Amino acid sequence: DTEVTQTPKHLVMGMTNKKSLKCEQHMGHRAMYWYKQKAKKPPELMFVYSYEKLSINESVPSRFSPECPNSSLLNLHLHALQPEDSALYLCASSQDAQMTSGANVLTFGAGSRLTVL
Amino acid sequence: DAKTTQPTSMDCAEGRAANLPCNHSTISGNEYVYWYRQIHSQGPQYIIHGLKNNETNEMASLIITEDRKSSTLILPHATLRDTAVYYCIVRVWGNAGNMLTFGGGTRLMVKP
Repeated sequence: DTEVTQTPKHLVMGMTNKKSLKCEQHMGHRAMYWYKQKAKKPPELMFVYSYEKLSINESVPSRFSPECPNSSLLNLHLHALQPEDSALYLCASSQDAQMTSGANVLTFGAGSRLTVL
Repeated sequence: DAKTTQPTSMDCAEGRAANLPCNHSTISGNEYVYWYRQIHSQGPQYIIHGLKNNETNEMASLIITEDRKSSTLILPHATLRDTAVYYCIVRVWGNAGNMLTFGGGTRLMVKP
């Protein structure tokens, strides 16, 4: 299995809702990532998990709460979002975030498209 | 991460080679050059990476100049399916792990 699976593909939520985005990989990767991508812009890094521990938080607002229950799963919990948070949320995984070898390639999922009303 | 500069957009005729340039003049000795592409409404897809030497795989070739300040991604026989945004990324490792920071990318349009 060489895929990163993200669910749901589409999500519409109100500003008072609580929802979660899910990401799963079965490649034995020990690093997982969340990126946010606005329309016609490049992806922006949000969080990096390495060996199930949060290693990088790119100053993301607390209304986004990541969780890594095990080495195969990554969640992004959403609460009290704003309309400007509407975007494509991309999950990725790689062999090891601490590797210095160039072979630490990221595999991305297809993304979850979030609309906040 | 070292900054990269890419043209905003390029056109290529189907069946011809697509040559996508990237400038990374502030690259340091331990930084790799990576290329990813993103087809509309999909996640980014890894293409190729290199440090000093030219590299080739089943998707593309990567030519890195001797001073490493620029590189070119070559798609030898572009098809309509190669229409995408191509990102050139120079990645460095920090204490907390490695981060992939995307620049603006080049929007490649392959035309019949």
